[in-house]
Amino acid sequence: EVQLVESGGGLVQPGRSLKLSCAASGFTFSAYDMAWVRQGPTKGLEWVASISTGGDNTYYRDSVRGRFTISRDNDKSTQYLQMDSLRSEDTATYYCARWRFHDYFDYWGQGVMVTVSS
Amino acid sequence: DTVLTQSPALAVSPGERVTFSCRASESVFKLMHWYQQKPGQQPKLLIYKASNLASGVPARFSGSGSGTDFTFTIDPVEADDTATYYCQQSWIAPWTFGGGTQLELK
Repeated sequence: EVQLVESGGGLVQPGRSLKLSCAASGFTFSAYDMAWVRQGPTKGLEWVASISTGGDNTYYRDSVRGRFTISRDNDKSTQYLQMDSLRSEDTATYYCARWRFHDYFDYWGQGVMVTVSS
Repeated sequence: DTVLTQSPALAVSPGERVTFSCRASESVFKLMHWYQQKPGQQPKLLIYKASNLASGVPARFSGSGSGTDFTFTIDPVEADDTATYYCQQSWIAPWTFGGGTQLELK
């Protein structure tokens, strides 16, 4: 059974940093591209970042490029999202997702909340 | 960014057929996907590439369309289908989602 479990969320002040983790199990992690998708309090879903199987290629939405860094450790079957210079508009539930063929997200974690507030 | 427009809400009775629409601001060919999100849960993939049923999804869910206009159908609707349904395109980065359509059962 595919499982994705996020951790690392919490309350953080604007301008500070936070690092999210996503532990994967139930599939060969190194064979799949991965992604982060977020959902704000009153918003729908918003793709944040994606990473290729080996970590060589990364993709970001414009609003987080230069502030967020996606990475992965295939030996630990874990992906990460380093979030720096956080803003109030980054407040959301962040979902880890398996990304298929650069198209759709076929499995999602339960999500982790990030609140950016002073 | 490619904007996906969905109607905000639909209400149907169990056993009926319901059709959701998703209109893209530009052609996404057949690269449209549909998700179900129940309250307090993560999204779940239902349909990929416009009309392909995801693994384990019942055949009463279906999708069609291409270009800018897409539809997603549940037939027949069951009580457990109460959820918000999102479309998502993958033709042009950034990958974008529609605002979601909330399905209410009468």
